[in-house]
Amino acid sequence: SQQGEEDPQALSIQEGENATMNCSYKTSINNLQWYRQNSGRGLVHLILIRSNEREKHSGRLRVTLDTSKKSSSLLITASRAADTASYFCATDSKDNDMRFGAGTRLTVKP
Amino acid sequence: DSGVTQTPKHLITATGQRVTLRCSPRSGDLSVYWYQQSLDQGLQFLIQYYNGEERAKGNILERFSAQQFPDLHSELNLSSLELGDSALYFCASSVSPSAGRMNTEAFFGQGTRLTVV
Repeated sequence: SQQGEEDPQALSIQEGENATMNCSYKTSINNLQWYRQNSGRGLVHLILIRSNEREKHSGRLRVTLDTSKKSSSLLITASRAADTASYFCATDSKDNDMRFGAGTRLTVKP
Repeated sequence: DSGVTQTPKHLITATGQRVTLRCSPRSGDLSVYWYQQSLDQGLQFLIQYYNGEERAKGNILERFSAQQFPDLHSELNLSSLELGDSALYFCASSVSPSAGRMNTEAFFGQGTRLTVV
């Protein structure tokens, strides 16, 4: 069964706008990771945030983690057409192997 | 390039047949994970091996099996194939030593697209 659940399922924005995707999970975690997948290709790791961290940045990416709400968000600022992809969160917990959510399909229109 | 190599890239086979998918992990990574991605099921964890031993099992069918060899490459064997087994199969590797856990980033191969006709 899946652990992380991304929201929304699909998001369409204009180039230059910010994109925010959310991930909710059910059990306590050790860390949460975000991955990106271009259509039909392998997943690419974006960022890992540990359970004792609240926010992390990497370039135009900003990830937050709220363990009290069991949720995380991924913000992509100043989006580009090349950001068009599916984004997945994956959780790692004591009792579960790494499980992925169903993903958010992001479309950035030029 | 993630450093994880999967072969073949595409595979078309008939129902009832058996196929073997191969994965070479990134140099130095001892953990190998197999995932199945289909349109209706998303990315499903199948099984993990660490340094040759099975460490965790997910939603892997009894018709499927895997192993990791001394050189750390891994093979996923799918038998008695059904139409519903058509999917992308991904292998990922990480340095994570923890059983059943991926507490470091994982590197994914480009996948094998299996089509069962």
